Amino acid sequence: SQQGEEDPQALSIQEGENATMNCSYKTSINNLQWYRQNSGRGLVHLILIRSNEREKHSGRLRVTLDTSKKSSSLLITASRAADTASYFCATVSGANSKLTFGKGITLSVRP
Amino acid sequence: NAGVTQTPKFQVLKTGQSMTLQCAQDMNHNSMYWYRQDPGMGLRLIYYSASEGTTDKGEVPNGYNVSRLNKREFSLRLESAAPSQTSVYFCASSEFRGQGGEQYFGPGTRLTVT
Repeated sequence: SQQGEEDPQALSIQEGENATMNCSYKTSINNLQWYRQNSGRGLVHLILIRSNEREKHSGRLRVTLDTSKKSSSLLITASRAADTASYFCATVSGANSKLTFGKGITLSVRP
Repeated sequence: NAGVTQTPKFQVLKTGQSMTLQCAQDMNHNSMYWYRQDPGMGLRLIYYSASEGTTDKGEVPNGYNVSRLNKREFSLRLESAAPSQTSVYFCASSEFRGQGGEQYFGPGTRLTVT
């Protein structure tokens, strides 16, 4: 069963623009993670935000978490062609810290 | 450091054949995982191992077996391959014992069962 649902499913922007991707989930979480996957490659961990955190930054990435709305957003500022990839949110929930991936968002950054 | 390595990169099997996918990590991580990725389905956990000597079923374990050979290596075996097992298989590892920490992924094995 899928816990995190990303939105939109696909996003196309111009280089230099900001990209915002959203993730909604159904049950309470321990933490939420974002991963990137370039075509034909494995996933790369981007950022982890705990349930008691509201915002985290890493370079050009900004992640927010709103536990009252059960949602998170990933903002990539000043996008580059190299940011073209699929992005997945993954929620960790339950006493056994089960991790569940969403289906992903395809981001295309046009040069 | 090589991180997480997987072999083979590509494999074609006939229905009923068996094979083992190999995975190794050099980060001294406690936990290791096997996922499959299918179009439109995201990643689904097949099996994981929270520590050497332990394995647990994930979301889609049927048709697979695993062995945590030592702390470095975690193999996935298909005893009798079926077309429904055509997929891309990823191995991952984590310092965290269990599923909750950040995971490091290998490059994947593309398996086709005809």
